[in-house]
Amino acid sequence: DAKTTQPPSMDCAEGRAANLPCNHSTISGNEYVYWYRQIHSQGPQYIIHGLKNNETNEMASLIITEDRKSSTLILPHATLRDTAVYYCIVRVEGRNDMRFGAGTRLTVKP
Amino acid sequence: NAGVTQTPKFRILKIGQSMTLQCTQDMNHNYMYWYRQDPGMGLKLIYYSVGAGITDKGEVPNGYNVSRSTTEDFPLRLELAAPSQTSVYFCASSYRLNTEAFFGQGTRLTVV
Repeated sequence: DAKTTQPPSMDCAEGRAANLPCNHSTISGNEYVYWYRQIHSQGPQYIIHGLKNNETNEMASLIITEDRKSSTLILPHATLRDTAVYYCIVRVEGRNDMRFGAGTRLTVKP
Repeated sequence: NAGVTQTPKFRILKIGQSMTLQCTQDMNHNYMYWYRQDPGMGLKLIYYSVGAGITDKGEVPNGYNVSRSTTEDFPLRLELAAPSQTSVYFCASSYRLNTEAFFGQGTRLTVV
């Protein structure tokens, strides 16, 4: 019901860019794409969100395809502290809630 | 700002006992959420609220109740604890629908 598909796990070398994909082929025109991460068993942490245009902040960049059916979260220089589960979330149109899928477990290796 | 504060951090309950998990936020956020996270799994939405006096069910509401009498507080009530409710519970809040959500640090609940 989360309406997103992510790979269950990925590895990345420390210092390299981590590119995390997300498929959201049923996204509606006015729904945003959100990314959160959860480090170990802490509360999830907001990373970034976007509607149509690519977005960048101090943590990451978000690239959304022109048809909006998929997006990629980019951590430009991954560190060991970026090891976490990353969640891509799309709200279901007409709903006011926020539902998580299974996410991608990113492991950054030395 | 303290953000989202959850109490207690840890609790052990016996089967059939009841308890209330507290969640309060000092950011004047309208939206508040309760999630549970079982070991090795993602977060499941239990209940949410879009403002004081308004609550709605999420994905897994059975066995839980909520209330939202003030903007700041969103307590989660377990009436008859069952082992299946052993989980980590997270509370979150956001100002509007399309704004970032802030999470508390969680309450680890064990029912024995």
